[in-house]
Amino acid sequence: SQELEQSPQSLIVQEGKNLTINCTSSKTLYGLYWYKQKYGEGLIFLMMLQKGGEEKSHEKITAKLDEKKQQSSLHITASQPSHAGIYLCGADPGNQFYFGTGTSLTVIP
Amino acid sequence: EPEVTQTPSHQVTQMGQEVILRCVPISNHLYFYWYRQILGQKVEFLVSFYNNEISEKSEIFDDQFSVERPDGSNFTLKIRSTKLEDSAMYFCASIRGVLREKLFFGSGTQLSVL
Repeated sequence: SQELEQSPQSLIVQEGKNLTINCTSSKTLYGLYWYKQKYGEGLIFLMMLQKGGEEKSHEKITAKLDEKKQQSSLHITASQPSHAGIYLCGADPGNQFYFGTGTSLTVIP
Repeated sequence: EPEVTQTPSHQVTQMGQEVILRCVPISNHLYFYWYRQILGQKVEFLVSFYNNEISEKSEIFDDQFSVERPDGSNFTLKIRSTKLEDSAMYFCASIRGVLREKLFFGSGTQLSVL
């Protein structure tokens, strides 16, 4: 089965700072999803990356996919308290869609 | 944007009781999933369902669990005899095709087993 390891496990940053979350797969990545979960709530779709080298941005969040390294990174620029939550990467859907271990982000105003 | 709908949002039950969690996937979607998340832990895959049968299931999905698509719109997860450790948030998800499309999640059902 595919394992998705995220780092760091948790992150506390000052508002306005940049940050990066990484997701490393044990198997070849054919696509990678990023979701955000607010504490105790559902899963919000952020981005889907389909090809190696692909980079997507939405507002202040940028995600990249490095298929060779079997890795994806999520970068937040000038973080805000609204960015707080748990960030989850997910493998390409098939019979079984896996989530990463999760990164908990706290942004201190 | 289309939504996956889950009901109820909260369910409290006594240990040993049966519960049915309901989901209405997006209408033209073909693949359906159930996940669970125990408080403070990872989101875990339970089961996937396609063409009216289970495609794949995890070790968590034992004989106490079953899934059904009783009609053209609902997708249910049944836990026959709930245990304390079944307390978790249960998420339903659906996707139209298999490859490289957005997986839509419901907002979850928080199950509390007392």
